[in-house]
Amino acid sequence: AQSVSQHNHHVILSEAASLELGCNYSYGGTVNLFWYVQYPGQHLQLLLKYFSGDPLVKGIKGFEAEFIKSKFSFNLRKPSVQWSDTAEYFCAVIDPNGGDKIIFGKGTRLHILP
Amino acid sequence: GAGVSQSPSNKVTEKGKDVELRCDPISGHTALYWYRQSLGQGLEFLIYFQGNSAPDKSGLPSDRFSAERTGGSVSTLTIQRTQQEDSAVYLCASSSGPASYNEQFFGPGTRLTVL
Repeated sequence: AQSVSQHNHHVILSEAASLELGCNYSYGGTVNLFWYVQYPGQHLQLLLKYFSGDPLVKGIKGFEAEFIKSKFSFNLRKPSVQWSDTAEYFCAVIDPNGGDKIIFGKGTRLHILP
Repeated sequence: GAGVSQSPSNKVTEKGKDVELRCDPISGHTALYWYRQSLGQGLEFLIYFQGNSAPDKSGLPSDRFSAERTGGSVSTLTIQRTQQEDSAVYLCASSSGPASYNEQFFGPGTRLTVL
């Protein structure tokens, strides 16, 4: 079965630091990949997605992610974080064998120090 | 228009009681999903409805869990004979079509506490 691993459970950074959150998935074929974000007290919302084409995907709020097929990875990056980026981040993948089911990672809690 | 709404926002119940959680998707969205979010466990897929097709129930953890979607709109997730391990936030999401091509919009969730 498809699985998603997020290596960092809790990350603490200072403002203006660069960010990279790791995400690896297990399926070797064609994949659809997502990053979702949940800000404190808010709904889960889509940050960015990769379906095909350019492996470097731009999302909202200056975030980007790079799909590297050979590494089964879809890491999330931001060159300079802000205090408002404090949130929980979830990587997700469509289960290619499960119809339209989305498999989520366990999440990374990001805390930005002002 | 309004986003996905869920009710109640919080539910405290005693072990062994049945609970019903409600989800109102975005109007016109044909796909509806239920997930469970437990502390440190991410989001666990429970069930998926797409139009008039038979639902994908493969994520339901036991036969105590069931869900229905009436008239292709509102959905109810029912947990019978609740157990303490059922305590979690139950999230509903809807999309205008299959998740492979369409963004999922999430509701605020229902926090269930089983005493």
